[in-house]
Amino acid sequence: DAGVIQSPRHEVTEMGQEVTLRCKPISGHNSLFWYRQTMMRGLELLIYFNNNVPIDDSGMPEDRFSAKMPNASFSTLKIQPSEPRDSAVYFCASRHGDRRTYEQYFGPGTRLTVT
Amino acid sequence: SQKIEQNSEALNIQEGKTATLTCNYTNYSPAYLQWYRQDPGRGPVFLLLIRENEKEKRKERLKVTFDTTLKQSLFHITASQPADSATYLCALVRGDKIIFGKGTRLHILP
Repeated sequence: DAGVIQSPRHEVTEMGQEVTLRCKPISGHNSLFWYRQTMMRGLELLIYFNNNVPIDDSGMPEDRFSAKMPNASFSTLKIQPSEPRDSAVYFCASRHGDRRTYEQYFGPGTRLTVT
Repeated sequence: SQKIEQNSEALNIQEGKTATLTCNYTNYSPAYLQWYRQDPGRGPVFLLLIRENEKEKRKERLKVTFDTTLKQSLFHITASQPADSATYLCALVRGDKIIFGKGTRLHILP
């Protein structure tokens, strides 16, 4: 298995531009999570999906952020318009429905820089 | 509000010694506690899970304890090696939600 796949790995954009981050979870996993990591705030959960349905988006910082999961093998996180304070590493993680371990498998992350 | 605290400063340990990392939490009653390892430029990797009714869990050179009264977990790496150098994150789990600590950076000195 290739693991969780994220693209792009690096994104540099100017303030005000739209940014779209992509994630392909591990096949067979039915939960998907989007996180943001910064030195100041650590790893923060933004939103998670169960069976393609958004369950909790309370971590989404504001309306500029939106996430979709149109099918079991693809999810996007969009920021529009982007701001310098959005600069961070964004991780996608997936998890199998087995509740005994709650183990999450993380992708390599997308490093976003907004200038 | 819920709070998780891990040693914010890096921990330097001599090779071969036991490294002990601490995770304290407040205003939360997790059903499970997990530990993850994160290397620079990579995503976290799951290491161990311990349940609220378990006192201790072991896996090879790793040992985790969980004290729900003290609201604390200790993570031990015995016979530490330079390859154990990384950032270690604790995570509290209740239901579908997971809350991560900021992590402790561990350096094993040869």
